[in-house]
Amino acid sequence: GAGVSQSPSNKVTEKGKDVELRCDPISGHTALYWYRQRLGQGLEFLIYFQGNSAPDKSGLPSDRFSAERTGESVSTLTIQRTQQEDSAVYLCASSSPMGTYGYTFGSGTRLTVV
Amino acid sequence: DQQVKQNSPSLSVQEGRISILNCDYTNSMFDYFLWYKKYPAEGPTFLISISSIKDKNEDGRFTVFLNKSAKHLSLHIVPSQPGDSAVYFCAASVRISGSARQLTFGSGTQLTVLP
Repeated sequence: GAGVSQSPSNKVTEKGKDVELRCDPISGHTALYWYRQRLGQGLEFLIYFQGNSAPDKSGLPSDRFSAERTGESVSTLTIQRTQQEDSAVYLCASSSPMGTYGYTFGSGTRLTVV
Repeated sequence: DQQVKQNSPSLSVQEGRISILNCDYTNSMFDYFLWYKKYPAEGPTFLISISSIKDKNEDGRFTVFLNKSAKHLSLHIVPSQPGDSAVYFCAASVRISGSARQLTFGSGTQLTVLP
């Protein structure tokens, strides 16, 4: 597609439920990143996928968080047993392998845990 | 340990005046720096960048300055316009393997341009 697409744009869930967030990167972008932004805070790195290499999961805050990516396409971020502190905007970005230095971000998924 | 710091969470400037947003970094391996702009309910969008081999890059009303010895960069917007009101993120890039790069972001500065 023309840009990075994320769905849903908004999600309200009850504490303790599982949620799944989706990201469609730009076609041909081999690198895909998940970040989150909690209210009043900066962008917090969560996980990074590069081609078929093992993902860099160093930013995942707990084992309730996991992410999958099939090849160089769609990625899903799953949060199990959601907690109120998981409320944030979850941003996905992708980047080209051809030496560009920046990311293209999606519009994010605003997750609210009540 | 924050490798990229934006120490001013907010900045207000009068329309037509200069806006100066600052960013400091600690990792000397960073070799490319970017500024992103974010409006509410939208993802960050790329604004301007600079390579570590340069000390200035200009694009219209936006200029980024890099002081490598001080590990400091700044974004100047002149003249500032109300439409510039947004959160500005500083980001630093490092090569991690092959052509793969990773960005580290600052916490952002909310710029408000007053009409």
